[in-house]
Amino acid sequence: ETGVTQSPTHLIKTRGQQVTLRCSSQSGHNTVSWYQQALGQGPQFIFQYYREEENGRGNFPPRFSGLQFPNYSSELNVNALELDDSALYLCASSPTSTHSGNTIYFGEGSWLTVV
Amino acid sequence: AQRVTQPEKLLSVFKGAPVELKCNYSYSGSPELFWYVQYSRQRLQLLLRHISRESIKGFTADLNKGETSFHLKKPFAQEEDSAMYYCALHNNAGNMLTFGGGTRLMVKP
Repeated sequence: ETGVTQSPTHLIKTRGQQVTLRCSSQSGHNTVSWYQQALGQGPQFIFQYYREEENGRGNFPPRFSGLQFPNYSSELNVNALELDDSALYLCASSPTSTHSGNTIYFGEGSWLTVV
Repeated sequence: AQRVTQPEKLLSVFKGAPVELKCNYSYSGSPELFWYVQYSRQRLQLLLRHISRESIKGFTADLNKGETSFHLKKPFAQEEDSAMYYCALHNNAGNMLTFGGGTRLMVKP
């Protein structure tokens, strides 16, 4: 059973650019969520994808968008990067979206620095 | 709106001392609460959840709906317990975790 893997692990972008972060969910998991963790803070929910559809969204602007593919892997895209977007972006997967008793597994994250 | 508050950013104790990491929440529905832990250079992982009423690595947490709290406790801290601890609340739709700001636990020898 493979864990949640994310790429890239670190990247630096310039303000105004666009970035794509990738996530492979744990084997057998069809639900992927993305979280933003700024330095010194807890993770904040961005959105969740379940069977290729967005299934809930946190308080993030539309320039944060995502995709889920048939193999349940996912991408997080951020357009028009701002300095405050600098953070650790975490991907999490779980077997289903609505059974809250299921354990959610996190990846190691992608560190994004916007300069 | 749901909210999770961890009032202590840092908690430092000596090995063998009792530990209590505080967590308070606000949520209009029936809450489901978790504690997550992140050891140095490791990914965020589930420590325990209130519905299981289990003890993991000597840690326990009781949901107190009257006080809207879910404090994490351990009677005798060990050095290997040093880590970041996050309290989290799952909404009823089951699709979103709301995390507290985290407490860094340092257990000194």
